Amino acid sequence: GNSVTQMEGPVTLSEEAFLTINCTYTATGYPSLFWYVQYPGEGLQLLLKATKADDKGSNKGFEATYRKETTSFHLEKGSVQVSDSAVYFCALSDPGNEKLTFGTGTRLTIIP
Amino acid sequence: DAGVIQSPRHEVTEMGQEVTLRCKPISGHNSLFWYRQTMMRGLELLIYFNNNVPIDDSGMPEDRFSAKMPNASFSTLKIQPSEPRDSAVYFCASSPFDGSGRNEQFFGPGTRLTVL
Repeated sequence: GNSVTQMEGPVTLSEEAFLTINCTYTATGYPSLFWYVQYPGEGLQLLLKATKADDKGSNKGFEATYRKETTSFHLEKGSVQVSDSAVYFCALSDPGNEKLTFGTGTRLTIIP
Repeated sequence: DAGVIQSPRHEVTEMGQEVTLRCKPISGHNSLFWYRQTMMRGLELLIYFNNNVPIDDSGMPEDRFSAKMPNASFSTLKIQPSEPRDSAVYFCASSPFDGSGRNEQFFGPGTRLTVL
């Protein structure tokens, strides 16, 4: 079955540091890949997505590239802000199926 | 536009009582998902519907849990009887369904349930 493995947290960084959160996946076909973010006290919201190999998703300074050869979708941001403090979830879905398989989430804290 | 609406936002009840959580999906979305989130187990999919029909309920913990979607604009998740281990945040999410698997799920704000 499908699975998503993401970097264990929590992660604490200083403001303006470079961020990488690793995500690898196992899937039988050609899944779509997503990063969702959850701010304190809120539901999850889509941060970015990529639907085929070599696609790059980007939003709010975050980027992730769909790497089929390494089955990875690592999240990066060049300069983090305190407002980026949240929990980040990597997820995938199969074609023909709207069900998402989520990773365990990575809690990110940015200190001024 | 209104997003996914959940009620109540907070619920505190005593063990053995019946609890009903409600969800109104975004208009035009025909897939609806119920999730549970806890520190210990993370985010779990309980059940999802396409066009009001339950498609996968393999995540429903046990017979105490039931979910219905009587129409396209309303769904309920019921726990009867409730137990302290059911304490969690319950999220409802909706998405358009086109069979591609590429669509974003839109999450509601969640219902925080505490069973004493």
